[in-house]
Amino acid sequence: AQSVDQPDAHVTLSEGASLELRCSYSYSAAPYLFWYVQYPGQSLQFLLKYITGDTVVKGTKGFEAEFRKSNSSFNLKKSPAHWSDSAKYFCALELGNEKITFGAGTKLTIKP
Amino acid sequence: DMKVTQMPRYLIKRMGENVLLECGQDMSHETMYWYRQDPGLGLQLIYISYDVDSNSEGDIPKGYRVSRKKREHFSLILDSAKTNQTSVYFCASSSGQNTEVFFGKGTRLTVV
Repeated sequence: AQSVDQPDAHVTLSEGASLELRCSYSYSAAPYLFWYVQYPGQSLQFLLKYITGDTVVKGTKGFEAEFRKSNSSFNLKKSPAHWSDSAKYFCALELGNEKITFGAGTKLTIKP
Repeated sequence: DMKVTQMPRYLIKRMGENVLLECGQDMSHETMYWYRQDPGLGLQLIYISYDVDSNSEGDIPKGYRVSRKKREHFSLILDSAKTNQTSVYFCASSSGQNTEVFFGKGTRLTVV
């Protein structure tokens, strides 16, 4: 069955550090993968997507993600992290019928 | 202005009452979604709509139904609300496969 796993419920870093949020997926077909961010009290906003081609994709707000087919991962990265990056981040997998399944999310806290 | 609008933003209902959550989008998107967000569970897909009167169940459709009579409007109906339907409900829309999904600001529903 298709699923998305974000193994880290909480990640805390100091400002200026490099961040990497983990995401793994399970899907038998070619995956379409996304990252969304949710700031406190707000809705979800699109960050970036991987459809095909280059395995490193760049998105908004200085984020990028690397798709690794070998271990079914799509980790989100940014360096350096800023306190304003504190938010909840969701990895998502789109199925062939446009249905999108989300991971449980990782709450990122950046300490100033 | 690309926007998904949800009404109301906050709602308190008694168990057994009917609930209507409304959603509109101004982007002429064919695909619309209803998700619910609960702590620790991420977003769960309730229903997806591919266009007017073309709706499909998501992962947790039980206890919900939807209506889409115009492309720009998508309603979620809870007939006889239950306390376990207390949640934050997000409406979203997209222009099709592999595209960014735009989310509304959410409706916080409390069933007492």
